[in-house]
Amino acid sequence: GENVEQHPSTLSVQEGDSAVIKCTYSDSASNYFPWYKQELGKRPQLIIDIRSNVGEKKDQRIAVTLNKTAKHFSLHITETQPEDSAVYFCAAVYNNDMRFGAGTRLTVKP
Amino acid sequence: NAGVMQNPRHLVRRRGQEARLRCSPMKGHSHVYWYRQLPEEGLKFMVYLQKENIIDESGMPKERFSAEFPKEGPSILRIQQVVRGDSAAYFCASSQVNTEAFFGQGTRLTVV
Repeated sequence: GENVEQHPSTLSVQEGDSAVIKCTYSDSASNYFPWYKQELGKRPQLIIDIRSNVGEKKDQRIAVTLNKTAKHFSLHITETQPEDSAVYFCAAVYNNDMRFGAGTRLTVKP
Repeated sequence: NAGVMQNPRHLVRRRGQEARLRCSPMKGHSHVYWYRQLPEEGLKFMVYLQKENIIDESGMPKERFSAEFPKEGPSILRIQQVVRGDSAAYFCASSQVNTEAFFGQGTRLTVV
């Protein structure tokens, strides 16, 4: 089955700086890559996603890039704010089978 | 559309009892996923179901755990003879074909 690795496991940045989280996947057939944000005690919520026919997607301060050849994808958050502090999960999906990375705990210091 | 509904939100069971966790997917969603999350840890895949079919249960322990998604009604994750190590948050998510998945609020199971 699909195996997703995510790095780093923790990330601390100063408010206003950028944050980058990276994921790799094993199954080249995976074709959909969502990112979820989970705040303490809450459910994971989708923040952005990308499909395998696209190399980059941006939504305000959040962007995701995908390198199919290398089988890795990344989340970029610019101008970070304290409310960005949460755990972020990447996922790789093939044929509706969705597997997550282990998560990155992002802390944005004011 | 009420979103993905899980109940109960909190469940306390004594060791050896059975736990039943329910998940009602979003309207129109035919795919359900169950994940387990320990405190401070990630989302561990357990099982992926479509209506009346288990598609992938590779993440589910072979003993004591079972899941179903009947033609009518919610998906059920059943844990028999619970042990302390089963204490965790159990999240379900649902999706349509090849679209984003939405999560329920989770069921926090405590085994005492």
